[in-house]
Amino acid sequence: QKEVEQNSGPLSVPEGAIASLNCTYSDRGSQSFFWYRQYSGKSPELIMFIYSNGDKEDGRFTAQLNKASQYVSLLIRDSQPSDSATYLCAVRTAGGGNKLTFGTGTQLKVEL
Amino acid sequence: DTEVTQTPKHLVMGMTNKKSLKCEQHMGHRAMYWYKQKAKKPPELMFVYSYEKLSINESVPSRFSPECPNSSLLNLHLHALQPEDSALYLCASSPKKGQQARDEKLFFGSGTQLSVL
Repeated sequence: QKEVEQNSGPLSVPEGAIASLNCTYSDRGSQSFFWYRQYSGKSPELIMFIYSNGDKEDGRFTAQLNKASQYVSLLIRDSQPSDSATYLCAVRTAGGGNKLTFGTGTQLKVEL
Repeated sequence: DTEVTQTPKHLVMGMTNKKSLKCEQHMGHRAMYWYKQKAKKPPELMFVYSYEKLSINESVPSRFSPECPNSSLLNLHLHALQPEDSALYLCASSPKKGQQARDEKLFFGSGTQLSVL
């Protein structure tokens, strides 16, 4: 079982719709969860982080964490073509020091 | 200054060459990282430096040699690489607020696209 799993996609949504990206993780001791956006050929850019159960909102982005189900998600409201990118889920485990483990990423395509 | 700067942006080298990748940050961060990313794959951790000391080596082959001359600089020395080492090499830094700080965030540089011929 992979430590961090994501559906590779592509996930296609129409402009203006809500995009829902999901991530599951295997280590129950995981402490912190991060969402990075990566455009093709570019470096990952941090967009959200969460470490408490529930929702965390920042502009059009909402991160949701359910530690009991070992599940973290990212919602993007009012999706724009500029949101088209690969979204990487990253997890920091307890005792892992500064090590982040990344999922394989979900490719999002926002269509006009 | 909120950037992590990497040079060069592109590098082509032969299997007998020696080259170095450079990374610099002036955010006062005390942890610095090297990641390797192949196309359509997630970044894979190679090394972590914490307070200028190597704290994590993810069993990386010795043809990759990291160096942290000071708290702002991180180098990756390359020697006798193989074609399968071709990838995007990403440097990152984080504040290192504490060993288990939950909101310790990594900031990535733009990467060096390496091709080994």
